[in-house]
Amino acid sequence: EPEVTQTPSHQVTQMGQEVILRCVPISNHLYFYWYRQILGQKVEFLVSFYNNEISEKSEIFDDQFSVERPDGSNFTLKIRSTKLEDSAMYFCASSRDRESAETQYFGPGTRLLVL
Amino acid sequence: AQKITQTQPGMFVQEKEAVTLDCTYDTSDPSYGLFWYKQPSSGEMIFLIYQGSYDQQNATEGRYSLNFQKARKSANLVISASQLGDSAMYFCAMRAWDKIIFGKGTRLHILP
Repeated sequence: EPEVTQTPSHQVTQMGQEVILRCVPISNHLYFYWYRQILGQKVEFLVSFYNNEISEKSEIFDDQFSVERPDGSNFTLKIRSTKLEDSAMYFCASSRDRESAETQYFGPGTRLLVL
Repeated sequence: AQKITQTQPGMFVQEKEAVTLDCTYDTSDPSYGLFWYKQPSSGEMIFLIYQGSYDQQNATEGRYSLNFQKARKSANLVISASQLGDSAMYFCAMRAWDKIIFGKGTRLHILP
């Protein structure tokens, strides 16, 4: 069964460093998402991406964040200058369509720790 | 604004018993989707079940069923014959066009 994959599974970085989190969505999906979950809290929407551009973003997704689909398979989230509060689990998700009926399938997550 | 409310932070249930996890939602959109995800201690988000706002029947997937009461804006998850492997965090969620909004979750503990 096709699935969303994410690398790395864990990343430790120093405050102020840039990190890139990578995702390979399900191959026939057209809509891509990033979410984050701070430890012990609920999952929060960051950004959605379609047709090589951002379609919606939350207030969390400020200028320090960017997303890119550099080739036909990868979807990346970049944090330019990490802060301590960026420590969280980051989930990538994808769906075939943006209709309410379409399930978003989540990857296994990247656990980011900023020191 | 859309909102998901899960009022049970934690539940303890005896193995083989049925369990109901509560979820209420708020939206002004006429079309929406409701989901339940399971998050085991390993951290991944596992899709369990989906209910569309226009679906006439309650969704079922194996041991999972969704008790959808549109007038009350509730979408409770029912797990029949619970198993030890059901111990996890459960999130109710609503799809609002491009994004999914999650509740705070209910941590379910199945006791042997």
